[in-house]
Amino acid sequence: AQTVTQSQPEMSVQEAETVTLSCTYDTSENNYYLFWYKQPPSRQMILVIRQEAYKQQNATENRFSVNFQKAAKSFSLKISDSQLGDTAMYFCAFMNRDDKIIFGKGTRLHILP
Amino acid sequence: GAGVSQTPSNKVTEKGKYVELRCDPISGHTALYWYRQSLGQGPEFLIYFQGTGAADDSGLPNDRFFAVRPEGSVSTLKIQRTERGDSAVYLCASSQGGLAQDTQYFGPGTRLTVL
Repeated sequence: AQTVTQSQPEMSVQEAETVTLSCTYDTSENNYYLFWYKQPPSRQMILVIRQEAYKQQNATENRFSVNFQKAAKSFSLKISDSQLGDTAMYFCAFMNRDDKIIFGKGTRLHILP
Repeated sequence: GAGVSQTPSNKVTEKGKYVELRCDPISGHTALYWYRQSLGQGPEFLIYFQGTGAADDSGLPNDRFFAVRPEGSVSTLKIQRTERGDSAVYLCASSQGGLAQDTQYFGPGTRLTVL
């Protein structure tokens, strides 16, 4: 069975700093997708970034980038120049062919002014 | 529509009652998903529709839970004989084609509280 592990329940960083959120996963599949979702207090899950496992190049979306290490089954999220609006729960997630997303337990990120 | 909408936003009910939760997906999206998010946890998959049919209902916890999507658009999640352990946020998501590479867009969820 696939699992997603986020080892950091909570983190705090100063505004404008860079922060990295960790995620590991376990699967026997070779083709799959990885995601980071953001969930602010409004509860709405917002896709931050996605990575296809067959792509070696790390995905980047503006201030957000990932470090995808397929052999190590690691998928960390780096947020550069963090902003107050980045405060939220962040979920690492995995999906294989059957379209069922499996989420980690989340990391609560606080950006401090 | 502009996004996935869910109604009601909050629902409080008593143990043993029946509840219905509604999801309006993005217009034109053929795939629809239900997830349940318990306090302090990530969302857990419940059921996936492709069009009108349930393509995968392996996440439904027991036969008190049932979902329908009769016209391939709006979906209703139905919970019979609610229990306190059913208290959670129920999230709905939709995607354009249901393919693995299609992004799932989530609604704001319905917070269900069973007293």
